[in-house]
Amino acid sequence: GAVVSQHPSRVICKSGTSVKIECRSLDFQATTMFWYRQFPKKSLMLMATSNEGSKATYEQGVEKDKFLINHASLTLSTLTVTSAHPEDSSFYICSAARDYEQYFGPGTRLTVT
Amino acid sequence: GESVGLHLPTLSVQEGDNSIINCAYSNSASDYFIWYKQESGKGPQFIIDIRSNMDKRQGQRVTVLLNKTVKHLSLQIAATQPGDSAVYFCAEISSYGKLTFGQGTILTVHP
Repeated sequence: GAVVSQHPSRVICKSGTSVKIECRSLDFQATTMFWYRQFPKKSLMLMATSNEGSKATYEQGVEKDKFLINHASLTLSTLTVTSAHPEDSSFYICSAARDYEQYFGPGTRLTVT
Repeated sequence: GESVGLHLPTLSVQEGDNSIINCAYSNSASDYFIWYKQESGKGPQFIIDIRSNMDKRQGQRVTVLLNKTVKHLSLQIAATQPGDSAVYFCAEISSYGKLTFGQGTILTVHP
């Protein structure tokens, strides 16, 4: 159990467009999900905490108007990268919390051209 | 600020050898730690965890040691296999459930 999926697994978009990434907990309900960003050969950096039914909590330095998070149900959180630029190219990973543990999705590779 | 870091960014071992990956943490209030394995292009995979009231925990081929005196964690992998090649992260969980990842160590196992 505790499977988390992400869609899409990879996406290429043009600069200035917006991209939505979905994170789903497939076999459990998650009131809290997390979004991370990872650059090549670097560690995961927490971007924001997504709480079902309320506003996300963003980490310092993360622009909430650029990285829109919606957690409308107990099994789905979405991250929308608005007006994407090449520097937004990265590996985006979500996790869903159950009890005291986080279960990670497989990640989404975003490339902005 | 508080941080979790690793001593060694890369580690190369021969198949069958034992591997030891180290991690230093600075938040003395942390009471829960996790080791993750991340293969290329994938999300982190839970390996083993340990709470601060323990100094050792064993799993299948893996052992985590915690030394609170010097704020040090280690992950020992016995009889390392090529399939163990990956990046290994230690992480600490705050009382709010927030995960802070360490730098990461790239483990390469040569056949």
